[in-house]
Amino acid sequence: ETGVTQTPRHLVMGMTNKKSLKCEQHLGHNAMYWYKQSAKKPLELMFVYNFKEQTENNSVPSRFSPECPNSSHLFLHLHTLQPEDSALYLCASSQDLGLAGLDTQYFGPGTRLTVL
Amino acid sequence: GEDVEQSLFLSVREGDSSVINCTYTDSSSTYLYWYKQEPGAGLQLLTYIFSNMDMKQDQRLTVLLNKKDKHLSLRIADTQTGDSAIYFCAESINDYKLSFGAGTTVTVRA
Repeated sequence: ETGVTQTPRHLVMGMTNKKSLKCEQHLGHNAMYWYKQSAKKPLELMFVYNFKEQTENNSVPSRFSPECPNSSHLFLHLHTLQPEDSALYLCASSQDLGLAGLDTQYFGPGTRLTVL
Repeated sequence: GEDVEQSLFLSVREGDSSVINCTYTDSSSTYLYWYKQEPGAGLQLLTYIFSNMDMKQDQRLTVLLNKKDKHLSLRIADTQTGDSAIYFCAESINDYKLSFGAGTTVTVRA
């Protein structure tokens, strides 16, 4: 496996379910990100981790709970979601926190989440 | 502000040039980016431009930056069917944070 992988690719869950999204990067990067992509809306940054420490929580509701056990893995735990949370959830990683060059963000393919 | 605006759709004939336009609001943005998203895939960085540059060319891609008007464009020469995708413009907000536009869906017709 190379690059940034995400599992599952598709997820359907009820509002009372608990599920988790997984992201793994095989690039040796230190920073990882969760984004939410809703139809025809700009990407929304949700969380940022650098060296396993959370550096950004962009006012995300507590029903989304991130976990970063090491620099290669990032999870997003989901609990009592709402239908409006249905979206594509993208994970990204970068060498370190920065904007360009080695710190360019590389994205995974995303998990398409549907909340019924 | 952190609003990045771009038109939602663009249709272009195969072999023609495509021009995707974007306006941004943060005049202090250090970098501006173009990402491409193909169906079922994540975002792929196409190119980025440093704010003190006016133009950057990379094979079939040309990025033009007008800082005065806060306008960014991406020109794709000799557009191919494989260029059909959603293209996102983004500006840097701080040391690591990006603000994205809603994306322009480019459809290449034969």
